Amino acid sequence: DADVTQTPRNRITKTGKRIMLECSQTKGHDRMYWYRQDPGLGLRLIYYSFDVKDINKGEISDGYSVSRQAQAKFSLSLESAIPNQTALYFCATSDPGTGLSNEQFFGPGTRLTVL
Amino acid sequence: AQSVTQPDIHITVSEGASLELRCNYSYGATPYLFWYVQSPGQGLQLLLKYFSGDTLVQGIKGFEAEFKRSQSSFNLRKPSVHWSDAAEYFCAVGKGGTSYGKLTFGQGTILTVHP
Repeated sequence: DADVTQTPRNRITKTGKRIMLECSQTKGHDRMYWYRQDPGLGLRLIYYSFDVKDINKGEISDGYSVSRQAQAKFSLSLESAIPNQTALYFCATSDPGTGLSNEQFFGPGTRLTVL
Repeated sequence: AQSVTQPDIHITVSEGASLELRCNYSYGATPYLFWYVQSPGQGLQLLLKYFSGDTLVQGIKGFEAEFKRSQSSFNLRKPSVHWSDAAEYFCAVGKGGTSYGKLTFGQGTILTVHP
């Protein structure tokens, strides 16, 4: 089984709808991240969490919110989806205790289309 | 703030030819540097990483990268490309201090391999 899973893998929704993307991990890592990928822009950080009680905004957090329900779960919500939030979304995890500083492990991604 | 530039958006090579993908970074201290690969429909997989020590690092799938502090570069190389190397490649820099654990990604380079 995959260490980092994302659900759904694909989602088509309409403008104004509320959407939740979910991420689960079995790696036992404290740190989790949400990125969006757009062609030509690489990956941009939306939110990150260094533990269950620690949530931080990334460089493009406007229009998004997150919830860290447990060490293993980190959800991303779009309260009112808009077309320019159409993108590929990735969840990632990392473990600061291994000495492999900053190395992140990625889920397979969720392709979101907002019509 | 740190930044990463991948000057080449798209590179095409013939199978068996050598490959070099460029990555330049801007960061005020010794960076943590990574190369990730994203195959179509897949998440990101770590190819290799540099933290300290030997500036030439070996990765998976026959890739290597060289850290050149004087040029602020971390270019990815492979002596002989295989058709299965066709993918998008991302360079990333890790940040220390209070933002320890975060990564900043470049825009990505799409590699096409001709038979």
